[in-house]
Amino acid sequence: AQKITQTQPGMFVQEKEAVTLDCTYDTSDPSYGLFWYKQPSSGEMIFLIYQGSYDQQNATEGRYSLNFQKARKSANLVISASQLGDSAMYFCAPSTTGNQFYFGTGTSLTVIP
Amino acid sequence: NAGVTQTPKFQVLKTGQSMTLQCAQDMNHNSMYWYRQDPGMGLRLIYYSASEGTTDKGEVPNGYNVSRLNKREFSLRLESAAPSQTSVYFCASSGHEAFFGQGTRLTVV
Repeated sequence: AQKITQTQPGMFVQEKEAVTLDCTYDTSDPSYGLFWYKQPSSGEMIFLIYQGSYDQQNATEGRYSLNFQKARKSANLVISASQLGDSAMYFCAPSTTGNQFYFGTGTSLTVIP
Repeated sequence: NAGVTQTPKFQVLKTGQSMTLQCAQDMNHNSMYWYRQDPGMGLRLIYYSASEGTTDKGEVPNGYNVSRLNKREFSLRLESAAPSQTSVYFCASSGHEAFFGQGTRLTVV
């Protein structure tokens, strides 16, 4: 199993502000993907954004973007213009060439009105 | 468009009882997974199946068995349930990103 570290168990952000959620991972696989998922209090897992290890540019998807630093094995999620509906758990998940997904312990984000 | 369907949604078992969690996907994905999520924790991989006919252990396989019945279906069996297996179980499938079922909340008393 891969080692995935999300060092911020809980984060708070003011509505309309940006927030960065940290993720570092440890893989020897030269080709991998990095996924972020959101889990609201209702429990479902929602795919947010993907970055391939060979992608030259940081991925963006609406208000979500990845700050990908391959040499540091870091892929932080940036949420811009936070909304109340962004309050949820966020999980980082690298996947290997075997298409196995391993998840970090997650960061709980609370957006304050 | 159903995506990933897992049943049941809730289950209470007595210690020592057995049960099978069912999962089916309609996205023609090769890879399927079973995870467990304990309170305040991330998802831990129990077993995965890279293709029909193959299964492999994940991080926490002890106490579980799986069957990849066909491309669509991947079941998880608890032969003799223990209180430590109280958890929320998620099935997922992937072609690229993983798609998840709604989860099964299992309580073993």
